[in-house]
Amino acid sequence: QKEVEQNSGPLSVPEGAIASLNCTYSDRGSQSFFWYRQYSGKSPELIMSIYSNGDKEDGRFTAQLNKASQYVSLLIRDSQPSDSATYLCAVQRARQLTFGSGTQLTVLP
Amino acid sequence: EPEVTQTPSHQVTQMGQEVILRCVPISNHLYFYWYRQILGQKVEFLVSFYNNEISEKSEIFDDQFSVERPDGSNFTLKIRSTKLEDSAMYFCASSEGTGGAGGYTFGSGTRLTVV
Repeated sequence: QKEVEQNSGPLSVPEGAIASLNCTYSDRGSQSFFWYRQYSGKSPELIMSIYSNGDKEDGRFTAQLNKASQYVSLLIRDSQPSDSATYLCAVQRARQLTFGSGTQLTVLP
Repeated sequence: EPEVTQTPSHQVTQMGQEVILRCVPISNHLYFYWYRQILGQKVEFLVSFYNNEISEKSEIFDDQFSVERPDGSNFTLKIRSTKLEDSAMYFCASSEGTGGAGGYTFGSGTRLTVV
């Protein structure tokens, strides 16, 4: 059974702070890792993808992957109220994504 | 920016009826998917489709479900004899490769309500 676990939150951070989101996965055969943002009632929107161990930065977002620990994280620097959403961790094996239940982030003005 | 287009945005159907959800994937994408999300729950994989055939499917995707690419642009999900528990948001997605740097692009979804 493939599992992707996330803290459901809610996670609240003040505007301008760093938000840290974490995810663990059970399937060691997982190949690719994604962070999606989902606003209430909307579809998932791709934020970051990462494939190899280490850090990957894109603007205010940094994804970190540690395959030995089966751990993926997302850091959001200089958090803005518009970043308030549910963040979904997704893990890919073959041609399917397995999603976590998401972490609800609120950025307080 | 290219989009995955889904129609209708909302569909209400009576239990036992058949529904067809429609999707237009991004034109140069080769892989197509259906996912669903029951209210308050995780996004769940249903099926992947490549080269006019199903490449993977989940346990959820039983004989009640079928997919088709009837022409060069549309990708459909048919649910025969709908049940109350089929009520969910259904997302179509497409990808250029099997994930890759571009990831999967999701459509805006069809909210299916079975009454």
